[in-house]
Amino acid sequence: QSVLTQPPSASGTPGQRVTISCSGSSSNIGDNYVYWYQQLPGTAPKLLIYRNNQRPSGVPDRFSGSKSGTSASLAISGLRSEDEAEYYCAAWDDSLSGWVFGGGTKLTVL
Amino acid sequence: EVQLVESGGNLVQPGGSLRLSCAASGFTFSSYAMGWVRQAPGKGLEWVSTISGGAGSTYYADSVKGRFTISRDKSKNTLYLQMISLRAEDTAVYSCAKQGGGGPYDAFDIWGQGTMVTVSS
Repeated sequence: QSVLTQPPSASGTPGQRVTISCSGSSSNIGDNYVYWYQQLPGTAPKLLIYRNNQRPSGVPDRFSGSKSGTSASLAISGLRSEDEAEYYCAAWDDSLSGWVFGGGTKLTVL
Repeated sequence: EVQLVESGGNLVQPGGSLRLSCAASGFTFSSYAMGWVRQAPGKGLEWVSTISGGAGSTYYADSVKGRFTISRDKSKNTLYLQMISLRAEDTAVYSCAKQGGGGPYDAFDIWGQGTMVTVSS
């Protein structure tokens, strides 16, 4: 059981916009930044969004993040086949004094 | 180019010990917090431990506290994870990751490919 809650799966067709939610509590998302990672099959995770809504250089602007209260969302617009991957949210947890991850959302591009 | 290369993973019996290493290059190793994150087969990401830059404060997940020790050798640009009293549930790919700043709250921005630890008799 992960501290941050994500839907196990999401799907969309090419060109569509999909969103992935991440729900936490006041000790993690409510009080700290949210980060999103993309993990393509067989590869290391890649930082996709940092500090709620910032994109590292090289990440397309099709990816965007937002946060409200104790929840956050990752939106992917103009869906492409290469976006098929596992997506994880993460945040520092003040009560645990450590990092917590969501359980991951497997995105399928139909 | 920033690079992280883990080593030391192996098959070990329950109750055994293992030390993982992570060789870092391409950045000022001593300035950044570093962490270990593991992923059990077919499962999600689980944070294990972080060591801050500078003074080197350490942080551990409850699941490994008292059994795992994170450390760094700044002269060798190497991060370590000493693991004792290993359990079957510690079986996972262990990846080291550079954090975005010196503090433990900064994101994991660069990841290694990982090293497999299997705990089984």
